[in-house]
Amino acid sequence: QVQLVQSGAEVKKPGSSVKVSCKASGGTFSTDIISWLRQDPGQGLEWMGRIIPSLGVTNYAQSFQGRVTITADRSTSTAYMEVTSLRSEDTAVYYCARGDRSGWYFDSWGQGTRVTVSS
Amino acid sequence: QSALTQPASVSGSPGQSITISCTGTSSDVGDYNYVSWYQQHPGKAPKLIIYDVSYRPSGVSNRFSGSKSGNTASLTISGLQAEDETDYYCSSYTSSNSLYFVFGSGTKVTVL
Repeated sequence: QVQLVQSGAEVKKPGSSVKVSCKASGGTFSTDIISWLRQDPGQGLEWMGRIIPSLGVTNYAQSFQGRVTITADRSTSTAYMEVTSLRSEDTAVYYCARGDRSGWYFDSWGQGTRVTVSS
Repeated sequence: QSALTQPASVSGSPGQSITISCTGTSSDVGDYNYVSWYQQHPGKAPKLIIYDVSYRPSGVSNRFSGSKSGNTASLTISGLQAEDETDYYCSSYTSSNSLYFVFGSGTKVTVL
């Protein structure tokens, strides 16, 4: 089973950027699809976007388009998610999760990265 | 506001069966057999327990089962146990513009 390990918690100022990493092991990164999801404090899950590392193809939810960039480094089996122009409403836990091209579900999850945006 | 509607809470006694509903539209639950369910304990990452409406990943208890009728999917937990007390989320593929996945708002299961 694929293991996903994310980078640690971040505290950021409004207007700054944050970049979260997600390192995969135990699977085939080139055939995986890595999605990023957000969970606001005490709330549900929201899909932000995804990348197919083998193709470099990305898809974004409309609400995150333009402010979120997802990339991947195949040499290190690591995916990244960057959010720019941070505001207090971006305070949340961010998860990476693995899917594959034959299904529409997430079978492995990172442990989550808490991002706090505060002045 | 979540795209899929779940009850905020469901409760049951140990050994009983409970069912959590997940209502969507013809753009997601109603038109695709790509409903999945996740269990999330406090402070932990979600865990996949049902995919493609009714399939269980290896290692998931057979006390969990899924089904779908029209625009509503359901998760049933049979033989309720104390360890089942936590949050559950449904998700579906969606054909809505630029959005691939939608989630429910979550259901808190309480074991009485």
